[in-house]
This record gives sequence, structure tokens and C-alpha cells, in this order.
Amino acid sequence: QSALTQPASVSGSPGQSITISCTGTSSDVGAYNYVSWYQQHPGKAPKLIIYDVNNRPSGVSNRFSGSKSGNTASLTISGLQAEDEADYYCGSYTSSSSLYVFGTGTEVTVL
Amino acid sequence: EVQLVQSGAEVKKPGESLKISCKGSGYSFTGYWLAWVRQMPGKGLEWMGIIYPGDSDTRYSPSFQGQVTISADKSISTAYLQWSSLKASDTAMYYCARHRAGHCGGDCYYFYYMDVWGEGTTVTVSS
Repeated sequence: QSALTQPASVSGSPGQSITISCTGTSSDVGAYNYVSWYQQHPGKAPKLIIYDVNNRPSGVSNRFSGSKSGNTASLTISGLQAEDEADYYCGSYTSSSSLYVFGTGTEVTVL
Repeated sequence: EVQLVQSGAEVKKPGESLKISCKGSGYSFTGYWLAWVRQMPGKGLEWMGIIYPGDSDTRYSPSFQGQVTISADKSISTAYLQWSSLKASDTAMYYCARHRAGHCGGDCYYFYYMDVWGEGTTVTVSS
């Protein structure tokens, strides 16, 4: 099974909004509303920030939001802050193996 | 508090065997799937496989099938990831994570997302 495709890096200035894309296929992102997003700071374990396309776990800032259109899901970070500098990964259920697949990961830099 | 506590860092030689662990607490260990995720140095996350400790139903990503073994001992709320013969390319950080899932009939499950993560176990394989 192939990884979902994300841009290698995205950057923005404090206060701006940025969007990270996650492109899959009709076997994963396009077929199910089971897209999730994870934030990983250097040397730390990943943390769930979005599940089921657009739901935030308790305690996650509402500056993080998710959406999906066709085979592409997106994570938007609004009001960018220095603490948002991290790696971000999408993930989805995939019917090609009936398992789960991650995206390639995106490094977010706050300028 | 729901948490997953992983075993400590390991340094091994090629060809050696290894078993790392992940102990769950604060929730019904047998009632949730538990996944293993690999992260090679400087690289992204890779979903390796998953186990349901309640009945030891285990599934592997095609990339990891035959390369590792996932198991669990529900009596001590602990899951394991093991290798019979390590290679240098197994050098990585390994995370366990509680995986939310939904039943879609028979042995079909939708694997939704991972909501609780362990801190990771570093495995270094070097001669």
C-alpha cells in the first residue's frame, strides 16, 4: 500500500493561516471519512489533533481544522504560532489492505 | 489517566532477537486495538500492524508481514513487538498506540485513528 502524499514542507508567518494537503485515492481518503491528523514535535511522540476528517479531540486548539474534497484531505492551521512548528502527518483507513496508511509527512516552519 | 508505557531503549547486534513491550493502563486493555508504528531516523511514520488483545486477532501491513511478530498478554495488559533476527535496517523508533476502530461485519474492521500513544522505544542495531 502506498503512503498518502503530503507536501514536504509548508511555512508561514505568525498569525497567518496555512493549509497542508493529503492526497490519497478512491480506496482511502476519497472513500471514507476516516482521515486523521497527527502533530509531532522533535523528539516527541505523535499527538492526535484531528480525527474523522474534521473533529478535534478534547484539549486541541480550535486553530486546527480539517476538511476533505474528493481524494484530498486538508489540515488548516489558523493564527499560526511558534509552538505550531512541528511535523504533521495525515492517516486514513485504506480498503486496499483493509488496514491503515500514513501520509508522507509535512514539516511546518514558522518564519 | 489513560497511558501506554513502553520498554526502554535497546542496542543489539545484527542477527540477535528482540522483544519490546507496551503496557496499557487506565482503560480496558482488552477492549481496544493496539498498533505499532515505526519511525526510522529522520523519516516519516509507518504503520506496521495491529492487535486486538481481547482475542489476539493480529493484522500486519504488507511491508511488515513476516518481518516482525506482534503479540499480547492480556493478563498483564501488555503488547509486544518482536524480531527473530535483527538487521541494521531495523534501527528506528517504535511507537505503540491505541487504535480506535469500528466493526463492519465478520472479520472486517475500519481502523479510524490513534488517540493514545506511548513515548516510543529506540532500537539500535549495529555491529
